[in-house]
Amino acid sequence: GESVGLHLPTLSVQEGDNSIINCAYSNSASDYFIWYKQESGKGPQFIIDIRSNMDKRQGQRVTVLLNKTVKHLSLQIAATQPGDSAVYFCAEKRAGGTSYGKLTFGQGTILTVHP
Amino acid sequence: DAGVTQSPTHLIKTRGQQVTLRCSPKSGHDTVSWYQQALGQGPQFIFQYYEEEERQRGNFPDRFSGHQFPNYSSELNVNALLLGDSALYLCASSLPGLGLETQYFGPGTRLLVL
Repeated sequence: GESVGLHLPTLSVQEGDNSIINCAYSNSASDYFIWYKQESGKGPQFIIDIRSNMDKRQGQRVTVLLNKTVKHLSLQIAATQPGDSAVYFCAEKRAGGTSYGKLTFGQGTILTVHP
Repeated sequence: DAGVTQSPTHLIKTRGQQVTLRCSPKSGHDTVSWYQQALGQGPQFIFQYYEEEERQRGNFPDRFSGHQFPNYSSELNVNALLLGDSALYLCASSLPGLGLETQYFGPGTRLLVL
């Protein structure tokens, strides 16, 4: 079956360091990948997305890399700040077909940033 | 511009009861999806509504049902509650399209079944 999973359940970094959060997916038919940040007591917040015809996309302090050969997705956060502490989820979606509109989430990685 | 709103924020029910959760989508969005998030897990897709109809459904029993109103707001109903239904219920809204539109989430409703 389809699944999206994460290699590391927890990640601790020092303020100012760069963080890398990894995600593996199993469905080669995935068209669209999204990273969400979820703080305690809140809903997931959109960070950045990437479509399957791209291998890199940059945002403000964040970069998403997609390696379709090994079905791997990563989120890089530059100069990590204490406010970045949260659970990070990768999610996958396919356009059309039976998975139309459905997001499939991974388990999540807990990022803790120490001042 | 208001984002996705959900009500109530918290709810306590007992086994066998029924519950209704509500969601108002982000302004300009007409597609609403519902997810269940158990503690320590990622959200699981329940179903999606578009044009007042259920467009897609995840692997959830018929006890979970929904509705979308002409103003695009939506309700999630769960009948015959089980202890395992305790979770954070998230609503997400998006623009219509080919399925690659960003889904924006609300704060969720925390349901506790005793």
